[in-house]
Amino acid sequence: KQEVTQIPAALSVPEGENLVLNCSFTDSAIYNLQWFRQDPGKGLTSLLLIQSSQREQTSGRLNASLDKSSGRSTLYIAASQPGDSATYLCALGDGSSNTGKLIFGQGTTLQVKP
Amino acid sequence: NAGVTQTPKFRILKIGQSMTLQCTQDMNHNYMYWYRQDPGMGLKLIYYSVGAGITDKGEVPNGYNVSRSTTEDFPLRLELAAPSQTSVYFCASSYGRAGTEAFFGQGTRLTVV
Repeated sequence: KQEVTQIPAALSVPEGENLVLNCSFTDSAIYNLQWFRQDPGKGLTSLLLIQSSQREQTSGRLNASLDKSSGRSTLYIAASQPGDSATYLCALGDGSSNTGKLIFGQGTTLQVKP
Repeated sequence: NAGVTQTPKFRILKIGQSMTLQCTQDMNHNYMYWYRQDPGMGLKLIYYSVGAGITDKGEVPNGYNVSRSTTEDFPLRLELAAPSQTSVYFCASSYGRAGTEAFFGQGTRLTVV
């Protein structure tokens, strides 16, 4: 059974720092990996989608990488800002079925201090 | 662009009551999903649908029912609400098969007392 783990559960950094969020998974048979942002009491906003054949995707200050062989993905945030404070979730497209089901990690809650 | 719309946003139910969480999407997506999120946890799949008239169970389906009569709508029915169903419920949709981007609604926060 696929398991997704995000470490650390919480992270606090000063403004301006570059940071890396980690996502690990146990089964390399995935269709894709998607990073989401969740603000308190809000829904999920898609940040980046990496297909299984890709190694990385970039959007602005965000860069996500995927290494299926080692079962890892990282989300790199450059020059962090207080507005980046949120919970970040990674989710895998379940490779055992062609239905688009997602398997989520527990999330990393990020606080960027001014 | 409304995307995925869920109603209501908040609801308090008494034990044993029933309710329907509404979800509609305007992106003509074939695939729709219901997830629940418990505090400090990731999302878990309740039910999903790959098209009108087709639904299937996810990881945690007990206590819930769904229907999919149209492409746009995917309601989630709670029968005989229990405190264990206190959670935040998210509806999502995607265009097609695995590998396509998923879009989420804003969630319904449900408390069963």
